[in-house]
Amino acid sequence: EAAVTQSPRSKVAVTGGKVTLSCHQTNNHDYMYWYRQDTGHGLRLIHYSYVADSTEKGDIPDGYKASRPSQENFSLILELASLSQTAVYFCASSDRGRDQDTQYFGPGTRLLVL
Amino acid sequence: GDSVTQTEGPVTVSESESLIINCTYSATSIAYPNLFWYVRYPGEGLQLLLKVITAGQKGSSRGFEATYNKETTSFHLQKASVQESDSAVYYCALGTLPGTGSNRLTFGKGTKFSLIP
Repeated sequence: EAAVTQSPRSKVAVTGGKVTLSCHQTNNHDYMYWYRQDTGHGLRLIHYSYVADSTEKGDIPDGYKASRPSQENFSLILELASLSQTAVYFCASSDRGRDQDTQYFGPGTRLLVL
Repeated sequence: GDSVTQTEGPVTVSESESLIINCTYSATSIAYPNLFWYVRYPGEGLQLLLKVITAGQKGSSRGFEATYNKETTSFHLQKASVQESDSAVYYCALGTLPGTGSNRLTFGKGTKFSLIP
């Protein structure tokens, strides 16, 4: 079954450390996205990608980098993790065409920065 | 910018009773956004519950319904008779139409629903 998987599912990181969150999709979708969700907020878009080897900034990209080495894989990188980056992170994918705004989500990664 | 406002949770209802979660939107980037309800069950990612792309139309899935009301800019989610398996967090969202150069979704904060024990 087509799916979006994320790893790790949870992580504890130290302030100033590097964190990499990984996302893998078997939907054969061109578009992939990274969101974060904080308590009391909706999901907010960090980075997205339309095609392999290319990424775009979303609404809150500061402090994050993204990498799309292949159609299936999309990583989110926190070079210097900070307390304010404690959140749940969701990856999603969508197809091109009429339904490109119908997104399919992974289970989320819960990140705690201490 | 675009925004979505939905019922602040948690919402609790007795089994077999009806559920309504309100959603209103403000779309500045596009006149007729696509409207969505996503649901997140415990331990899982968000999944699409229903989507409506035409003003005036109603979407339905798993016993839930929502009507796209352009006049009141609303997209309220309703179910006539809830059950335990409906306990989840529900997210209202709006999206841009394909071809506009953007396919972002703008989400509400989510409404947690559970049955009264």
